Amino acid sequence: LAKTTQPISMDSYEGQEVNITCSHNNIATNDYITWYQQFPSQGPRFIIQGYKTKVTNEVASLFIPADRKSSTLSLPRVSLSDTAVYYCLVGFNKFYFGSGTKLNVKP
Amino acid sequence: GAVVSQHPSRVICKSGTSVKIECRSLDFQATTMFWYRQFPKQSLMLMATSNEGSKATYEQGVEKDKFLINHASLTLSTLTVTSAHPEDSSFYICSAHDAGNEQFFGPGTRLTVL
Repeated sequence: LAKTTQPISMDSYEGQEVNITCSHNNIATNDYITWYQQFPSQGPRFIIQGYKTKVTNEVASLFIPADRKSSTLSLPRVSLSDTAVYYCLVGFNKFYFGSGTKLNVKP
Repeated sequence: GAVVSQHPSRVICKSGTSVKIECRSLDFQATTMFWYRQFPKQSLMLMATSNEGSKATYEQGVEKDKFLINHASLTLSTLTVTSAHPEDSSFYICSAHDAGNEQFFGPGTRLTVL
């Protein structure tokens, strides 16, 4: 299964746009790219999923280049409540979690 | 989106006892569910794949006789931690797929073994 690499942590300020990039060089043809958010002592929460190009929903955008070896989660105008760990997952049915990115949003 | 529940949300037990954790898909049927374990400040670790009507598939290094999984219906999977010890204390999370490729996670169960 594709292994993912993300920055361990990122800092941002309220109102800024945050981009978190994930590398997945060994992604398979039928793999999707899915991002989850996790708060302490809670289960992961679905943010967005894509296969190629760009996907946008009400909370985030996901940018995927043509070679699909990486992806970038974009969070517009973050707030303090966006402080959490963000996981990039690659797969079709079964997911293995990487280390995730701990985003710290400061006032 | 679809909802996955877990019960109990928190359990404290004595060393040597067994603990059962339930995972339910509330508004969809799930032929496959997954069980994860998460230690403090670490990522989720996949323990096993729970298959409705058949044996679970365990990840390497996970003892199948210690972590018993039963998936008797399309909406319920159970994880039983047998003869629990303090090192089994962790946050256990289940997930399930709906008809698409989206995986929904439960809220987790905090197990503390004294």
